[in-house]
Amino acid sequence: DAKTTQPPSMDCAEGRAANLPCNHSTISGNEYVYWYRQIHSQGPQYIIHGLKNNETNEMASLIITEDRKSSTLILPHATLRDTAVYYCIVSVLDGQNFVFGPGTRLSVLP
Amino acid sequence: ETGVTQTPRHLVMGMTNKKSLKCEQHLGHNAMYWYKQSAKKPLELMFVYSLEERVENNSVPSRFSPECPNSSHLFLHLHTLQPEDSALYLCASSQLSGTDTQYFGPGTRLTVL
Repeated sequence: DAKTTQPPSMDCAEGRAANLPCNHSTISGNEYVYWYRQIHSQGPQYIIHGLKNNETNEMASLIITEDRKSSTLILPHATLRDTAVYYCIVSVLDGQNFVFGPGTRLSVLP
Repeated sequence: ETGVTQTPRHLVMGMTNKKSLKCEQHLGHNAMYWYKQSAKKPLELMFVYSLEERVENNSVPSRFSPECPNSSHLFLHLHTLQPEDSALYLCASSQLSGTDTQYFGPGTRLTVL
C-alpha cells in the first residue's frame, strides 16, 4: 500500500498557482518525498524530490513541513498542459521501493 | 524525452501468441524496472533489476518473463496472456546512488484479445 494520501482531484484556474497537498504521516527519517506526474497514457514524469528542506526547480516548488508528515507541491503559474495525475511517493534511498497511489487528478481550467 | 525508450508503443496479441516488450535506457543507469498500469488503477511494480540481477518480483504470474542482458536493455517476454493483462506497461531506470530518481519510458499499450 502507498504510504501517502492525496485528494483524488483538484481544479485550478489557468495562470494561478496550483497547490497539491500530500500526507505522509508515517514517513521515516531516511525517506525522501518524490513527486511525479502522468499526463494521460504517457509515462510518469519526474517533477521534484526532497528530504526535509524546501526545494525549487524550473517546474515546481516542494514545501515539506518541519515534522515531515506532509508536503505541498506548488506549480506557480499553472497552464493547461499541467493537467495530469500528480503522484506523491515516499521512498528510501535505494530507490527500489516506489509505491504509487491513485494520486491527485489536477484539472487546469481556462 | 527522458532517455528511456520502449518498443513497440502499441501491441495487440492473441492469448496464444508469444511477444516481447523492449526497453532501452541511454542514461548510464544501473537499475531498471517494469511497471503495469491497468485502466483506472495505480502503477504496480512488477520487476526490479539491479546491476543486471533481478532483486524484486512482486508475485507476477509466470506468463510474464523478464530478461536483462545488460544494464541498458530490459525485456519483458509475454506468453499465453489473458485479456485482463491488457494494460500500459512502463519501463523505468535509475542510478543506484544519490537519490535514485526513476525515469520512465513512454510505455507500451498492450491489448490481449
